[in-house]
Amino acid sequence: KQEVTQIPAALSVPEGENLVLNCSFTDSAIYNLQWFRQDPGKGLTSLLLIQSSQREQTSGRLNASLDKSSGRSTLYIAASQPGDSATYLCAVRRANDYKLSFGAGTTVTVRA
Amino acid sequence: EAGVVQSPRYKIIEKKQPVAFWCNPISGHNTLYWYLQNLGQGPELLIRYENEEAVDDSQLPKDRFSAERLKGVDSTLKIQPAELGDSAVYLCASSLDGRLAGGRYNEQFFGPGTRLTVL
Repeated sequence: KQEVTQIPAALSVPEGENLVLNCSFTDSAIYNLQWFRQDPGKGLTSLLLIQSSQREQTSGRLNASLDKSSGRSTLYIAASQPGDSATYLCAVRRANDYKLSFGAGTTVTVRA
Repeated sequence: EAGVVQSPRYKIIEKKQPVAFWCNPISGHNTLYWYLQNLGQGPELLIRYENEEAVDDSQLPKDRFSAERLKGVDSTLKIQPAELGDSAVYLCASSLDGRLAGGRYNEQFFGPGTRLTVL
């Protein structure tokens, strides 16, 4: 069974600071990894998807890296803004399996 | 492009009552998922459909939960009877099969969810 862990569970930073969110998974035989954002009471918004053959993906201020062999992914958010306050979840799809295994998320607060 | 649509957004019922949730996936997406999310946790898959066929329902508590996806488009998830422990957010997601996705292999897109409270 794929176990996905996100540390820390919560993070508070002043506006302008760079954010580093960590995700680790136990089974390195993955198909892809997705990072999602979830605002309170809302659904999940897909931020980035990294295929197993890729090392990183970038979108605007967001950059996600993937180290499959060590079972780790990191989401970097540059120059954080109060609007970045949300819960960020990573999810892993194993090879030959459509199911996403989610971490519990990291709740980020960006202080103005 | 319209996203995944779910209704209702909120539902409050008493235990032992039935409840149903509806999902309309992104147009053209052939794969549909129902997830359950408890407070402070990540979503967990309940059932996955490829077109009309439920290809993975191993996590669905079949004694009280049922689902259908008629004509391979909209889907309904039902609970009968509801229990206190069913209080959670029920999320629907859809994706395009990898063979057709043009590189966006099976990226899942989620709806806003239905928050169920069982009293």
